[in-house]
Amino acid sequence: DQQVKQNSPSLSVQEGRISILNCDYTNSMFDYFLWYKKYPAEGPTFLISISSIKDKNEDGRFTVFLNKSAKHLSLHIVPSQPGDSAVYFCAASDGGGADGLTFGKGTHLIIQP
Amino acid sequence: EPEVTQTPSHQVTQMGQEVILRCVPISNHLYFYWYRQILGQKVEFLVSFYNNEISEKSEIFDDQFSVERPDGSNFTLKIRSTKLEDSAMYFCASSPGGLGETQYFGPGTRLLVL
Repeated sequence: DQQVKQNSPSLSVQEGRISILNCDYTNSMFDYFLWYKKYPAEGPTFLISISSIKDKNEDGRFTVFLNKSAKHLSLHIVPSQPGDSAVYFCAASDGGGADGLTFGKGTHLIIQP
Repeated sequence: EPEVTQTPSHQVTQMGQEVILRCVPISNHLYFYWYRQILGQKVEFLVSFYNNEISEKSEIFDDQFSVERPDGSNFTLKIRSTKLEDSAMYFCASSPGGLGETQYFGPGTRLLVL
């Protein structure tokens, strides 16, 4: 039961170019979406989030787009930097503070010099 | 910047033993969570805790698991009788609370059950 899907296990992008990571979800009750970045042997680090009432949220080099009708969100990183190489997890929540997040399997982003 | 801390960073135990994983959430946060990630798999929700009681729990969180906030700062996960399949990274998280509040994760405890 994969309610949150990240279909690309890995993505390789040249430094300076745009990285686009995709995420699909099936549960229409999800109303809050988050992207986390994770390095090996560390915990997930929060990057950016978006509420279902918005279709775009921007924070510096990171922009998240939400297409509710397609149940799809994407994370854009521009320009990509070597330090962006990590595993990126999409996560979703369907309620308030008590609800656990449902995570995707992650996409390993590799930024090539 | 405040952060969630977890101890120990690594724990090795024998099957059938009890383990307690400890977390110190961010001080003004109201909701606390435990997640686990088995090697090669996705991060999975175990339990959430608010106002000194369990708010939500997943199917994974069976009777061998328990959580406690023994004092004003610590939040613990106890596994009563560990099994081989409990080997995983265990992450604690906390959030300020309310709708759409971000959860902030600790660095994790790597548990290995032999």
